[in-house]
Amino acid sequence: NAGVTQTPKFRILKIGQSMTLQCAQDMNHNYMYWYRQDPGMGLKLIYYSVGAGITDKGEVPNGYNVSRSTTEDFPLRLELAAPSQTSVYFCASSLILGIGTGVRGNTIYFGEGSWLTVV
Amino acid sequence: RKEVEQDPGPFNVPEGATVAFNCTYSNSASQSFFWYRQDCRKEPKLLMSVYSSGNEDGRFTAQLNRASQYISLLIRDSKLSDSATYLCVVMAGTGGFKTIFGAGTRLFVKA
Repeated sequence: NAGVTQTPKFRILKIGQSMTLQCAQDMNHNYMYWYRQDPGMGLKLIYYSVGAGITDKGEVPNGYNVSRSTTEDFPLRLELAAPSQTSVYFCASSLILGIGTGVRGNTIYFGEGSWLTVV
Repeated sequence: RKEVEQDPGPFNVPEGATVAFNCTYSNSASQSFFWYRQDCRKEPKLLMSVYSSGNEDGRFTAQLNRASQYISLLIRDSKLSDSATYLCVVMAGTGGFKTIFGAGTRLFVKA
């Protein structure tokens, strides 16, 4: 198993450009996430997905879009890049079982991160 | 109030020391709890899950106090390789599933 694979590892964008960060997992996890982490700060959830065809906003969704057409893939699209989007982006996945109060969380597995600089 | 709060540190300790981290959470419906470790410029990785009965993994002990809504991590006999940021993670399963990461506590272990 490769786990969670995200590309590219490093990218420099000019203001106003767009790009897509790719993320794939081969663990058949239902939940997938995109986080950003600014220097010296904690993880902030951008978007998440509970399964193919279902996505929802996290804490900081503005300026980003996602799609989940398959269980494996969860790309993150940056439209009109801004310097405020300079950050490290982590894709992650987990297997969440049960419903309602019976939900039990399991380990979240992260990709190695994508370092994005907008200049 | 933040949903998950940690002392940001940094904690600077000598090798061999015992160090404890605490984490508090606000959602009483939270159901799953974890400690993650993040090395500099690396992704977070699971250190250990946290159970109400407490659990131990070698030099690491995790405790959960549901009544007071806090989680602790104890590291005994600190090693240089323990230097990292430790993230408290809380999952709640009611009204939509949420995973909240604390901002992390930075640990420096010195020779």
